[in-house]
Amino acid sequence: KNEVEQSPQNLTAQEGEFITINCSYSVGISALHWLQQHPGGGIVSLFMLSSGKKKHGRLIATINIQEKHSSLHITASHPRDSAVYICAVRAGSNYQLIWGAGTKLIIKP
Amino acid sequence: ETGVTQTPRHLVMGMTNKKSLKCEQHLGHNAMYWYKQSAKKPLELMFVYSLEERVENNSVPSRFSPECPNSSHLFLHLHTLQPEDSALYLCASSQAGQGNFDYGYTFGSGTRLTVV
Repeated sequence: KNEVEQSPQNLTAQEGEFITINCSYSVGISALHWLQQHPGGGIVSLFMLSSGKKKHGRLIATINIQEKHSSLHITASHPRDSAVYICAVRAGSNYQLIWGAGTKLIIKP
Repeated sequence: ETGVTQTPRHLVMGMTNKKSLKCEQHLGHNAMYWYKQSAKKPLELMFVYSLEERVENNSVPSRFSPECPNSSHLFLHLHTLQPEDSALYLCASSQAGQGNFDYGYTFGSGTRLTVV
């Protein structure tokens, strides 16, 4: 069992819908990251969280340290949001991140 | 472009070939990484170089050989690969040591490798 679990693995929604992607982890962490990977491969860092909530445009990320759980929300979803969203946690060394398997999101027009 | 450039974008090679992947960053970062991304699996960290010195090597087979000649360039030399090595190979860089991933951890677009 992976130390970082994401759900759902795949998500298809209509344009405009509110999207939630979940990340649960089983280790103590110093930070949690949400990243976005578009078709073609490039990965973009969206958020780094150690507590609370962050917002950037239509994206909101929350984390509950006690419950070892984080969510990524997308409001007013758009087809250009279609991508794989990856959760990763920093649990130890400065270099190592533990990666989730990703959630593939498709937003239909 | 994110500031981390990988070449080539796509590579098809036979099992007896020797090839190299290249990664270049001009962000002033002091750490560079090679990751492997296989279908439906989490990213796997292969190698980490900090200040041009290899600091992590996650039990990667010897048919993968990294080289970091300076802080801006990173290579992954490939020889006698197997079909199961087909994957997306991602390079990343960061400003390690600050404990804050939020700025500085940048990925390239990856090299899609197919071994035939």
